[in-house]
Amino acid sequence: TQLLEQSPQFLSIQEGENLTVYCNSSSVFSSLQWYRQEPGEGPVLLVTVVTGGEVKKLKRLTFQFGDARKDSSLHITAAQPGDTGLYLCAGAERSSNTGKLIFGQGTTLQVKP
Amino acid sequence: NAGVMQNPRHLVRRRGQEARLRCSPMKGHSHVYWYRQLPEEGLKFMVYLQKENIIDESGMPKERFSAEFPKEGPSILRIQQVVRGDSAAYFCASSPHPGHISGNTIYFGEGSWLTVV
Repeated sequence: TQLLEQSPQFLSIQEGENLTVYCNSSSVFSSLQWYRQEPGEGPVLLVTVVTGGEVKKLKRLTFQFGDARKDSSLHITAAQPGDTGLYLCAGAERSSNTGKLIFGQGTTLQVKP
Repeated sequence: NAGVMQNPRHLVRRRGQEARLRCSPMKGHSHVYWYRQLPEEGLKFMVYLQKENIIDESGMPKERFSAEFPKEGPSILRIQQVVRGDSAAYFCASSPHPGHISGNTIYFGEGSWLTVV
Protein backbone atom coordinates (compact mmCIF):
# COMPACT_ATOMS: atom_id res chain seq x y z
CA THR A 1 0.00 0.00 0.00
CA GLN A 2 1.36 3.39 -0.97
CA LEU A 3 1.50 6.01 1.78
CA LEU A 4 2.17 9.71 1.81
CA GLU A 5 3.62 11.28 4.92
CA GLN A 6 3.42 15.00 5.45
CA SER A 7 5.58 17.03 7.77
CA PRO A 8 5.21 18.95 9.88
CA GLN A 9 1.69 18.09 10.99
CA PHE A 10 1.21 21.48 12.64
CA LEU A 11 2.93 24.78 12.01
CA SER A 12 2.30 28.11 13.69
CA ILE A 13 4.28 31.08 12.42
CA GLN A 14 4.21 34.86 12.35
CA GLU A 15 3.10 36.85 9.33
CA GLY A 16 6.00 37.47 6.98
CA GLU A 17 7.91 34.29 7.75
CA ASN A 18 8.76 31.63 5.18
CA LEU A 19 7.87 27.96 5.54
CA THR A 20 8.19 24.64 3.78
CA VAL A 21 5.86 21.65 3.98
CA TYR A 22 7.06 18.23 2.90
CA CYS A 23 5.26 15.26 1.42
CA ASN A 24 7.24 12.02 1.31
CA SER A 25 6.76 8.45 0.22
CA SER A 26 8.82 5.36 -0.51
CA SER A 27 6.66 4.79 -3.59
CA VAL A 28 6.66 6.41 -7.00
CA PHE A 29 3.62 8.43 -8.03
CA SER A 30 2.57 9.30 -11.56
CA SER A 31 1.49 12.75 -10.38
CA LEU A 32 1.01 14.66 -7.20
CA GLN A 33 -1.51 17.30 -6.23
CA TRP A 34 -1.57 19.90 -3.47
CA TYR A 35 -4.88 21.00 -2.00
CA ARG A 36 -5.86 23.54 0.64
CA GLN A 37 -8.87 22.91 2.85
CA GLU A 38 -10.64 25.38 5.12
CA PRO A 39 -12.73 24.15 8.09
CA GLY A 40 -16.15 22.97 6.95
CA GLU A 41 -15.27 23.10 3.27
CA GLY A 42 -13.92 20.83 0.58
CA PRO A 43 -10.30 20.66 -0.60
CA VAL A 44 -9.43 23.26 -3.21
CA LEU A 45 -6.85 22.27 -5.80
CA LEU A 46 -3.70 24.40 -5.79
CA VAL A 47 -1.47 22.59 -8.26
CA THR A 48 -0.72 19.32 -10.05
CA VAL A 49 2.87 18.28 -10.71
CA VAL A 50 3.58 15.51 -13.15
CA THR A 51 7.22 15.55 -14.24
CA GLY A 52 10.07 14.58 -11.92
CA GLY A 53 11.96 17.70 -10.86
CA GLU A 54 9.12 19.96 -11.93
CA VAL A 55 8.76 23.32 -10.17
CA LYS A 56 5.56 25.34 -10.28
CA LYS A 57 4.90 28.74 -8.80
CA LEU A 58 1.58 30.18 -7.73
CA LYS A 59 2.17 33.71 -6.45
CA ARG A 60 4.01 33.22 -3.13
CA LEU A 61 3.69 29.43 -3.27
CA THR A 62 6.36 27.27 -4.88
CA PHE A 63 5.76 23.58 -5.47
CA GLN A 64 8.40 21.03 -6.36
CA PHE A 65 8.12 17.41 -7.42
CA GLY A 66 11.12 15.26 -6.54
CA ASP A 67 13.32 13.92 -9.31
CA ALA A 68 12.31 10.36 -8.47
CA ARG A 69 8.62 11.33 -8.14
CA LYS A 70 8.49 10.03 -4.59
CA ASP A 71 8.26 13.34 -2.77
CA SER A 72 7.14 16.93 -3.06
CA SER A 73 7.46 20.19 -1.20
CA LEU A 74 5.42 23.34 -0.83
CA HIS A 75 7.26 26.53 0.06
CA ILE A 76 5.40 29.67 1.07
CA THR A 77 7.24 32.98 1.03
CA ALA A 78 6.21 35.82 3.34
CA ALA A 79 3.23 33.98 4.78
CA GLN A 80 0.02 35.91 5.39
CA PRO A 81 -2.91 35.21 7.73
CA GLY A 82 -4.96 34.33 4.65
CA ASP A 83 -2.65 31.35 4.09
CA THR A 84 -3.98 29.72 7.25
CA GLY A 85 -5.54 26.34 6.54
CA LEU A 86 -4.99 22.63 6.09
CA TYR A 87 -2.60 21.74 3.26
CA LEU A 88 -2.97 18.30 1.75
CA CYS A 89 -0.80 16.46 -0.71
CA ALA A 90 -2.29 13.66 -2.77
CA GLY A 91 -0.70 11.23 -5.17
CA ALA A 92 -2.01 8.96 -7.88
CA GLU A 93 -0.86 5.37 -7.68
CA ARG A 94 1.46 4.68 -10.56
CA SER A 95 -0.34 1.50 -11.46
CA SER A 96 -3.78 3.01 -11.21
CA ASN A 97 -5.88 3.75 -14.24
CA THR A 98 -8.75 5.10 -12.22
CA GLY A 99 -7.31 8.33 -10.90
CA LYS A 100 -7.68 7.14 -7.32
CA LEU A 101 -5.74 9.51 -5.04
CA ILE A 102 -3.89 8.70 -1.85
CA PHE A 103 -3.88 11.60 0.57
CA GLY A 104 -1.37 12.59 3.19
CA GLN A 105 -2.59 13.40 6.70
CA GLY A 106 -2.25 17.11 6.08
CA THR A 107 -0.32 20.03 7.52
CA THR A 108 -2.29 22.53 9.57
CA LEU A 109 -0.81 25.98 9.09
CA GLN A 110 -1.60 28.94 11.31
CA VAL A 111 -0.23 32.33 10.35
CA LYS A 112 -0.53 34.91 13.12
CA PRO A 113 -0.83 38.59 12.25
CA ASN B 1 -19.49 27.75 -14.20
CA ALA B 2 -20.80 25.93 -11.17
CA GLY B 3 -18.48 23.67 -9.27
CA VAL B 4 -19.22 20.25 -7.84
CA MET B 5 -22.49 20.51 -5.95
CA GLN B 6 -23.23 18.34 -2.95
CA ASN B 7 -26.33 18.10 -0.83
CA PRO B 8 -27.27 18.04 1.86
CA ARG B 9 -24.34 19.91 3.39
CA HIS B 10 -25.25 18.62 6.83
CA LEU B 11 -27.28 15.54 7.69
CA VAL B 12 -28.20 14.10 11.05
CA ARG B 13 -29.41 10.52 11.25
CA ARG B 14 -30.28 8.19 14.10
CA ARG B 15 -28.58 4.83 14.30
CA GLY B 16 -30.27 2.39 11.95
CA GLN B 17 -31.60 4.99 9.54
CA GLU B 18 -30.51 5.48 5.95
CA ALA B 19 -28.41 8.36 4.66
CA ARG B 20 -28.44 9.49 1.03
CA LEU B 21 -25.84 11.93 -0.17
CA ARG B 22 -26.12 13.53 -3.59
CA CYS B 23 -23.47 14.89 -5.91
CA SER B 24 -23.80 16.80 -9.18
CA PRO B 25 -20.44 16.95 -10.97
CA MET B 26 -19.08 20.03 -12.69
CA LYS B 27 -20.60 20.74 -16.08
CA GLY B 28 -18.99 18.55 -18.71
CA HIS B 29 -17.56 16.11 -16.16
CA SER B 30 -18.67 12.51 -16.44
CA HIS B 31 -16.32 10.96 -13.88
CA VAL B 32 -17.24 11.06 -10.20
CA TYR B 33 -15.29 10.06 -7.11
CA TRP B 34 -16.40 9.75 -3.49
CA TYR B 35 -14.00 10.23 -0.58
CA ARG B 36 -14.56 10.05 3.17
CA GLN B 37 -12.81 12.13 5.82
CA LEU B 38 -13.17 10.71 9.29
CA PRO B 39 -12.45 12.94 12.31
CA GLU B 40 -8.71 13.31 12.82
CA GLU B 41 -7.98 11.25 9.70
CA GLY B 42 -7.09 12.06 6.13
CA LEU B 43 -9.23 11.72 3.06
CA LYS B 44 -9.78 8.14 1.97
CA PHE B 45 -10.93 7.04 -1.47
CA MET B 46 -14.22 5.16 -1.55
CA VAL B 47 -15.45 4.72 -5.11
CA TYR B 48 -15.01 5.91 -8.70
CA LEU B 49 -17.94 5.97 -11.10
CA GLN B 50 -18.67 6.92 -14.66
CA LYS B 51 -22.18 7.31 -15.99
CA GLU B 52 -24.07 4.12 -15.13
CA ASN B 53 -20.87 2.25 -14.25
CA ILE B 54 -18.88 1.59 -11.10
CA ILE B 55 -15.23 1.54 -12.16
CA ASP B 56 -13.39 1.13 -8.85
CA GLU B 57 -15.09 0.47 -5.51
CA SER B 58 -12.01 -0.78 -3.71
CA GLY B 59 -12.46 1.74 -0.89
CA MET B 60 -16.10 1.03 -0.17
CA PRO B 61 -17.00 -0.84 3.03
CA LYS B 62 -18.30 -4.28 2.11
CA GLU B 63 -21.68 -3.80 3.74
CA ARG B 64 -24.30 -1.05 4.00
CA PHE B 65 -22.59 1.29 1.53
CA SER B 66 -23.53 1.65 -2.13
CA ALA B 67 -23.04 4.22 -4.87
CA GLU B 68 -24.60 4.94 -8.22
CA PHE B 69 -24.29 7.46 -11.01
CA PRO B 70 -27.35 7.11 -13.25
CA LYS B 71 -27.61 8.27 -16.82
CA GLU B 72 -29.74 11.18 -15.67
CA GLY B 73 -29.38 12.92 -12.36
CA PRO B 74 -26.77 13.17 -9.64
CA SER B 75 -24.52 10.53 -8.19
CA ILE B 76 -25.85 9.06 -4.96
CA LEU B 77 -23.88 7.62 -2.04
CA ARG B 78 -26.22 5.54 0.08
CA ILE B 79 -25.50 4.33 3.59
CA GLN B 80 -27.99 1.90 5.07
CA GLN B 81 -28.49 1.26 8.78
CA VAL B 82 -26.04 3.96 9.80
CA VAL B 83 -23.85 3.53 12.86
CA ARG B 84 -21.97 6.15 14.88
CA GLY B 85 -18.73 5.23 13.13
CA ASP B 86 -20.21 6.44 9.84
CA SER B 87 -20.11 10.03 11.14
CA ALA B 88 -17.74 11.80 8.81
CA ALA B 89 -17.45 14.30 6.01
CA TYR B 90 -18.17 12.77 2.62
CA PHE B 91 -16.67 14.52 -0.35
CA CYS B 92 -17.54 14.10 -3.99
CA ALA B 93 -15.12 15.04 -6.74
CA SER B 94 -15.34 15.05 -10.51
CA SER B 95 -13.12 15.19 -13.57
CA PRO B 96 -13.74 15.62 -17.31
CA HIS B 97 -11.67 12.60 -18.25
CA PRO B 98 -10.63 9.42 -16.49
CA GLY B 99 -8.38 10.47 -13.64
CA HIS B 100 -5.17 9.09 -15.07
CA ILE B 101 -5.68 11.04 -18.31
CA SER B 102 -6.43 14.38 -16.70
CA GLY B 103 -3.19 14.23 -14.72
CA ASN B 104 -5.23 12.78 -11.90
CA THR B 105 -6.62 16.25 -11.27
CA ILE B 106 -10.03 16.11 -9.70
CA TYR B 107 -12.20 18.88 -8.31
CA PHE B 108 -13.93 18.52 -4.96
CA GLY B 109 -17.29 19.66 -3.75
CA GLU B 110 -17.86 21.32 -0.41
CA GLY B 111 -18.76 18.04 1.28
CA SER B 112 -21.66 16.52 3.16
CA TRP B 113 -21.24 16.24 6.92
CA LEU B 114 -23.03 13.21 8.31
CA THR B 115 -23.66 12.97 12.04
CA VAL B 116 -25.12 9.77 13.45
CA VAL B 117 -26.74 10.12 16.85
